Amino acid sequence: GENVEQHPSTLSVQEGDSAVIKCTYSDSASNYFPWYKQELGKRPQLIIDIRSNVGEKKDQRIAVTLNKTAKHFSLHITETQPEDSAVYFCAPKRGLSSGSARQLTFGSGTQLTVLP
Amino acid sequence: DVKVTQSSRYLVKRTGEKVFLECVQDMDHENMFWYRQDPGLGLRLIYFSYDVKMKEKGDIPEGYSVSREKKERFSLILESASTNQTSMYLCASRPGAKAEQYFGPGTRLTVT
Repeated sequence: GENVEQHPSTLSVQEGDSAVIKCTYSDSASNYFPWYKQELGKRPQLIIDIRSNVGEKKDQRIAVTLNKTAKHFSLHITETQPEDSAVYFCAPKRGLSSGSARQLTFGSGTQLTVLP
Repeated sequence: DVKVTQSSRYLVKRTGEKVFLECVQDMDHENMFWYRQDPGLGLRLIYFSYDVKMKEKGDIPEGYSVSREKKERFSLILESASTNQTSMYLCASRPGAKAEQYFGPGTRLTVT
């Protein structure tokens, strides 16, 4: 199965600074790379994803970059705000049609704290 | 809007009790999942189902079973609850052709 590692496990930044979280995976057949955000006491929600035919995707202050050769992808948050404080999970996976890969394997999560 | 609901937000059970956690989704999703979430361990998959009456083991199925008699409902069963099953349990669903998973609000289970 997929072996997923996230770094760092905790990250504190000053408001307005940038934050970067890295996810390393083992399955070279992975072709879908999402990031989920879980605010305190709430459910995880998808915030951005990328497919393997694209190297970078941006949505306002968040972006995801992919390095398929090195098997890692990263979440970038610029101009951080207090509401960005949350746990972030990556969950790389193979194509949806693969029977054994219907499930996502989540990283262990990164607690991001944005200090005012 | 996709809605995934779980039967309880908080549950306290005694060791040895049989525990049922219910999850319902209202968007006709084929795939449904049960995770447990523990500090430092992220989201670990217990069981999932890709169709009615179909189930597959996830990474940590020991001590759990599941039931999916109807498409919208996926139940997690703890046959004999133990203290090491104290955790946050999250249900999720996903349509067959899409990638995004939708999570329920979670059930905080305490086994004493």
